[in-house]
Amino acid sequence: AQSVTQLDSHVSVSEGTPVLLRCNYSSSYSPSLFWYVQHPNKGLQLLLKYTSAATLVKGINGFEAEFKKSETSFHLTKPSAHMSDAAEYFCVVSAGDSSYKLIFGSGTRLLVRP
Amino acid sequence: GAGVSQTPSNKVTEKGKYVELRCDPISGHTALYWYRQSLGQGPEFLIYFQGTGAADDSGLPNDRFFAVRPEGSVSTLKIQRTERGDSAVYLCASSLVSGAWNNEQFFGPGTRLTVL
Repeated sequence: AQSVTQLDSHVSVSEGTPVLLRCNYSSSYSPSLFWYVQHPNKGLQLLLKYTSAATLVKGINGFEAEFKKSETSFHLTKPSAHMSDAAEYFCVVSAGDSSYKLIFGSGTRLLVRP
Repeated sequence: GAGVSQTPSNKVTEKGKYVELRCDPISGHTALYWYRQSLGQGPEFLIYFQGTGAADDSGLPNDRFFAVRPEGSVSTLKIQRTERGDSAVYLCASSLVSGAWNNEQFFGPGTRLTVL
């Protein structure tokens, strides 16, 4: 079975400092992994996805994630936080035998201090 | 262009009542999904439509929940005899073609259901 664990429920950073949101996955298959962002009162938006090509994935708004099979991790990073990055972030894996079915982690709320 | 829209944005009902939640997918998207997000949790899969038919309804929690998509576009999630535990945000998503992993799911803003 597929699952993801987001290791931090809340992360607080100062504007201009790096962001690290941690995610570990479990999958019986070669996984497809995603990061989604959810701003208040807005729909979930895809930040980036890993689909077994390059292990370093670049997404929108300067975010990146690195797939590390040996560590079963897919951490999300950004070199410099902006106030507009404050939101809820979800690490997601697709179920291998039902690839349309997205399995979400419990989320990490990113707070950005001025 | 227009994204996925959901109505109502908020719904308050009493325990035991019937509710309908509507989803308008992006025009031309053949696949449609419903998820439920409880407070403090990530969304959980409920049901997936390919065209008019429910291709996978394994996430529906019980037989009080039912969803339709009669013309392959708009979908309605129906909940009978609502319970307080049904309170959650119900999310709808659509994608261009059927359920392959590489077809991005575009999400609507959700309907917040509160059962008193």
